[in-house]
Amino acid sequence: DIQLTQSPSFLSASVGDRVTITCRASQGISSYLAWYQQKPGKAPKLLIYAASTLQSGVPSRFSGSGSGTEFTLTISSLQPEDFATYYCQQLNSYPFTFGPGTKVDIK
Amino acid sequence: QVQLVQSGAEVKKPGSSVKVSCKASGGTFSSYAISWVRQAPGQGLEWMGGIIPIFGTANYAQKFQGRVTITTDESTSTAYMELSSLRSEDTAVYYCARVNYYGSGTHAAFDIWGQGTMVTVSS
Repeated sequence: DIQLTQSPSFLSASVGDRVTITCRASQGISSYLAWYQQKPGKAPKLLIYAASTLQSGVPSRFSGSGSGTEFTLTISSLQPEDFATYYCQQLNSYPFTFGPGTKVDIK
Repeated sequence: QVQLVQSGAEVKKPGSSVKVSCKASGGTFSSYAISWVRQAPGQGLEWMGGIIPIFGTANYAQKFQGRVTITTDESTSTAYMELSSLRSEDTAVYYCARVNYYGSGTHAAFDIWGQGTMVTVSS
């Protein structure tokens, strides 16, 4: 199975900050990576697919990059509604594993 | 716009089974794959398996092989996830999600999610 790690696991930031989350895969997955945002008590929401393509309706302050084994999710200017947990997921091969998550909290 | 509506919360005894449903409305059901993901309290997301209704063939995570069965009923646009031999560690919120394939069909992502079903396993 392909393992995903995320760093940091916890991030404290202020409104307006630029935030970057890294996801690393245990083996190459090309660009078969998605990013999700999850708020407490809610289902995850798709932000980015194919490593860098913004899902329709997602604000342009979110961006993704990377390929192979290293990927990043960047929020260019953190907004109050962005405080949540973020997960990466590989869809290169079964099982479609998720990273352990990065919680973004208010400083 | 497609919505996935899941069945309600369940409380089960250890050793029993649970069957959670996921009904699609507002769009074509059989064209998309459906996956099931669970989340234990305070924990991350765990993919359990998935199915493409039009083919009816399911793939399961090794961890759940032999305990989980994912099926669909195209006549009612409903997917089901049945988990057997329940233990306390199976206490979690169970989500269904639509697997959308983008572009030339090679890139997938879970673009629509059900609201989640809480399954509690307790004696």
